[in-house]
Amino acid sequence: QQQVKQSPQSLIVQKGGISIINCAYENTAFDYFPWYQQFPGKGPALLIAIRPDVSEKKEGRFTISFNKSAKQFSLHIMDSQPGDSATYFCAAIDRDNYGQNFVFGPGTRLSVLP
Amino acid sequence: DSGVTQTPKHLITATGQRVTLRCSPRSGDLSVYWYQQSLDQGLQFLIQYYNGEERAKGNILERFSAQQFPDLHSELNLSSLELGDSALYFCASSVGNSLIYEQYFGPGTRLTVT
Repeated sequence: QQQVKQSPQSLIVQKGGISIINCAYENTAFDYFPWYQQFPGKGPALLIAIRPDVSEKKEGRFTISFNKSAKQFSLHIMDSQPGDSATYFCAAIDRDNYGQNFVFGPGTRLSVLP
Repeated sequence: DSGVTQTPKHLITATGQRVTLRCSPRSGDLSVYWYQQSLDQGLQFLIQYYNGEERAKGNILERFSAQQFPDLHSELNLSSLELGDSALYFCASSVGNSLIYEQYFGPGTRLTVT
């Protein structure tokens, strides 16, 4: 119940294409869903986050879509660029009890070809 | 550069030993979070301190402990080290005491236990 599933494990996209990464969770106590971007040799960085009271959030080329009934959320990267090549992690958090309920997905390695 | 500093960058030690990892948060940030990133376990939240007090405890082993000092820097102490403790250890800081505040990650300390 604590697991967050993330797919695909790796993704190769042509420059200008759309990158889509999916995550699914089980624990209905989760109420905050951030995405992190991590470049090799660096720490993760918060990319975008969503709460379950909205179905979509967009920031620039990055969009989170959230389906509460299906307990799924996804990251869409529009007009993907080689500079977007990184590992992306989704996370699911119970903000009132995140000591016990703060789970990361296993990560997706994105490569954007020039 | 996130403004969060971690030392040392690399650490190699033997099983059974004890090490201390240090983190200095961004100027003005009161919260420090510690994370472990390993091939086996992925990213895991370990513990959070806010203004010197423990705020939330995640998947932190009993052999591990942390503290935050009056100058707000934090140390993560790892003792009785095992091979499986080899990982990247990140700290992150934020201005507030809850996860709604954006966290800024440091570059990490790579621990190798031989």
